[in-house]
Amino acid sequence: DVKVTQSSRYLVKRTGEKVFLECVQDMDHENMFWYRQDPGLGLRLIYFSYDVKMKEKGDIPEGYSVSREKKERFSLILESASTNQTSMYLCASSSGLGMAQYFGPGTRLLVL
Amino acid sequence: QKEVEQNSGPLSVPEGAIASLNCTYSDRGSQSFFWYRQYSGKSPELIMFIYSNGDKEDGRFTAQLNKASQYVSLLIRDSQPSDSATYLCAVRKGGATNKLIFGTGTLLAVQP
Repeated sequence: DVKVTQSSRYLVKRTGEKVFLECVQDMDHENMFWYRQDPGLGLRLIYFSYDVKMKEKGDIPEGYSVSREKKERFSLILESASTNQTSMYLCASSSGLGMAQYFGPGTRLLVL
Repeated sequence: QKEVEQNSGPLSVPEGAIASLNCTYSDRGSQSFFWYRQYSGKSPELIMFIYSNGDKEDGRFTAQLNKASQYVSLLIRDSQPSDSATYLCAVRKGGATNKLIFGTGTLLAVQP
């Protein structure tokens, strides 16, 4: 079974703080993804990575950056958290082009 | 026009009935199609994927794909209250991309 883990289930941060969300997968998947999910807006892709040290912007990259130093780990960084970044953040991984994505449990982030 | 469209529901069916969930997509070159189930407060869980026209069955679930009509559906036979969740349709568009486009989901409520 594919296992994707995320560092925190719930997180509360203050406006302006730097926030790190970490994701680890144990299936040697090439591709990893960060989404945010908001009511009525569905899943929106923030960034994805298809290889170590490689990254591509998704649909809503503004205010975020990512890091992939090792194949199994993909980090999402909020450089200066803002209240409009309050959301559910979901990490996913997949083995290759066109393959299914498997999601971690999600991190519910509240920015005050 | 949204790239992937689903009726938001709720779709209410009695226990034991067949639930039919529908999804349309705009990119005629789309290659791969996925159905995810998401319980409230949880992350999406892959149920099925389908790549070719026709039907694909897995237990109580059947995915149906009609590329000519740009339509994919999920049938759940013998619906159970535990099937009550939001069902997300995801589509990989044509071309060399790992990105999936998600619909906003259909809420299914199975009444005991």
